[in-house]
Amino acid sequence: AQTVTQSQPEMSVQEAETVTLSCTYDTSESDYYLFWYKQPPSRQMILVIRQEAYKQQNATENRFSVNFQKAAKSFSLKISDSQLGDAAMYFCAYATNFGNEKLTFGTGTRLTIIP
Amino acid sequence: DTAVSQTPKYLVTQMGNDKSIKCEQNLGHDTMYWYKQDSKKFLKIMFSYNNKELIINETVPNRFSPKSPDKAHLNLHINSLELGDSAVYFCASSQRGRGTQYFGPGTRLLVL
Repeated sequence: AQTVTQSQPEMSVQEAETVTLSCTYDTSESDYYLFWYKQPPSRQMILVIRQEAYKQQNATENRFSVNFQKAAKSFSLKISDSQLGDAAMYFCAYATNFGNEKLTFGTGTRLTIIP
Repeated sequence: DTAVSQTPKYLVTQMGNDKSIKCEQNLGHDTMYWYKQDSKKFLKIMFSYNNKELIINETVPNRFSPKSPDKAHLNLHINSLELGDSAVYFCASSQRGRGTQYFGPGTRLLVL
């Protein structure tokens, strides 16, 4: 069974600084997707970024980028120029690329932005 | 333009009651899901339907029964509600094979 581990329950960063959230996963499959979702206090689940396992290039979306290390099964999220609106719970998630495409989530990291 | 909508957003009810949550998506996706987020914020899959066919049924009590009248709708009916059913229930949708799932706003269920 696939598992996703987020070892940092809480992180904080000064506004305008850079922060990296960690995620590791375990799978025996070679083709899959990885995601970071953000859940602000409004509780809406918002997709931040996604990575396809077959792509070597790390995904980027504006201030958000990932460091995808397939061999190490590591998928960290870097947030640059942190803004107050980035304060939220961040969930790392895994999905297979075929069959039952359920999302398996990590336990989340609560990110606080210090003004 | 709401992509994935859920009703109601809040539900407060007594133990033993039966309640339903409705979900609709206008993204043209063929797959829909129910997830449960517990008090510790942990999210777990409950059910998934692809083109009205049940494809994922995790270990969920029989009191929970999903129904998909068409591929744009997925409802969740819960019988004999228990205190432990209190949680936030999220609906999501995706196009099978494309990976990304889009979530509804969640329904916060409180059982007293």
